[in-house]
Amino acid sequence: NAGVTQTPKFQVLKTGQSMTLQCAQDMNHEYMSWYRQDPGMGLRLIHYSVGAGITDQGEVPNGYNVSRSTTEDFPLRLLSAAPSQTSVYFCASRPNQGAAGNTIYFGEGSWLTVV
Amino acid sequence: GESVGLHLPTLSVQEGDNSIINCAYSNSASDYFIWYKQESGKGPQFIIDIRSNMDKRQGQRVTVLLNKTVKHLSLQIAATQPGDSAVYFCAENWTGGGADGLTFGKGTHLIIQP
Repeated sequence: NAGVTQTPKFQVLKTGQSMTLQCAQDMNHEYMSWYRQDPGMGLRLIHYSVGAGITDQGEVPNGYNVSRSTTEDFPLRLLSAAPSQTSVYFCASRPNQGAAGNTIYFGEGSWLTVV
Repeated sequence: GESVGLHLPTLSVQEGDNSIINCAYSNSASDYFIWYKQESGKGPQFIIDIRSNMDKRQGQRVTVLLNKTVKHLSLQIAATQPGDSAVYFCAENWTGGGADGLTFGKGTHLIIQP
């Protein structure tokens, strides 16, 4: 049981480039999400999904796209990278969205630098 | 000059002492609370949780206290060890809280002095 797996761990992009951060979970969780973490700030929700084929925007969705074609995978796409997207990105999952008491599990993070 | 918001609150304790990390949450409707530990270069790791119908919950060397009257949560770590050095943050869960019901605190950096 690997939990939540993210790749790549580190990435440097040039402004304007696009890329995809991969996320997979093997816990059969319905709910998956992407957060970004910036120095001195709490985790901020980018996009989330409550099940295959369903995605929705979080607090800071601009510049990012997601898709959820399978229960296991939830890739995050940066369409045209900007320096403001330099951050640490965390993928997370939990059994479902709404029920209190469902702990959310995080991946190990992807460090992205946009130059 | 120093940039506002880039520095986390820091708690420095002696190895072997008890640590108390505090968190003020924002919504009286929150019904579930979680403490996470985040070591440098790693993802947040679940430590302990508590539901709103409880005041206290204990785990291995950790205790979470919930005071709903003042919307305050604390994490107590007994006999602090070097491996406890990390950023600790709380999360609150309520149905109307953000897009996924979760709101995260900014965190406290726990430093263990030998």
